[in-house]
Amino acid sequence: DIQLTQSPSTLSASVGDRVTITCRASQSISSWLAWYQQKPGKAPKLLIYKASSLESGVPSRFSGSGSGTEFTLTISSLQPDDFATYYCQQYNAFSPYSFGQGTKLEIK
Amino acid sequence: EVQLVESGGGLVQPGRSLRLSCAASGFTFDDYAMHWVRQAPGKGLEWVSGINWNGGSTNYADSVKGRFTISRDNAKKSLSLQLNSLRAEDTALYYCAKGKLYDFWNEDDAFDIWGQGTMVTVSS
Repeated sequence: DIQLTQSPSTLSASVGDRVTITCRASQSISSWLAWYQQKPGKAPKLLIYKASSLESGVPSRFSGSGSGTEFTLTISSLQPDDFATYYCQQYNAFSPYSFGQGTKLEIK
Repeated sequence: EVQLVESGGGLVQPGRSLRLSCAASGFTFDDYAMHWVRQAPGKGLEWVSGINWNGGSTNYADSVKGRFTISRDNAKKSLSLQLNSLRAEDTALYYCAKGKLYDFWNEDDAFDIWGQGTMVTVSS
């Protein structure tokens, strides 16, 4: 099965900062990767799919890149609403879906 | 409004069974694959199971294979998860989630609509 490792596990940043979260896959998953945002007590929200496609309604300050085994989620200018936990997810062919362990984005 | 509403969670003893349901509204249910994802208290997300648009294909995480069964009733716009032989480690908030496509394993896939979850607690 494919394992996803996110780094860092916790990230402290300030409003207006540019932040990047990394997700590494244990084997190549092409571009079959999504990113989600989850706030406390809420369901996850889809941000990015196919590694770099922005889900409808998601602000353009969110972007995704990568392919193969290394992927990044970038927030170009942090807003107060962005402090949350972020998860990557892979859905590579014929492999069980899986999530990374999460990255908690905190206010510095 | 596009909506998923889960129900059926509760407190259950180890080894017993439980059936979760998810009611869908606001979209053409039988056009999409559906999934269950769980989250243990204070922990990350774990995909549990998925079913394609017509129920002809199902998939499970190794941790639940042989114990859990996913099913759907397109006429009732309903998704179900039968949980058997429950263990303490199955304690979690169980989310119902909609896939972006009718089947699995496509680069355009992901889970674009989520319910609010139903809590399952396995304890004696």
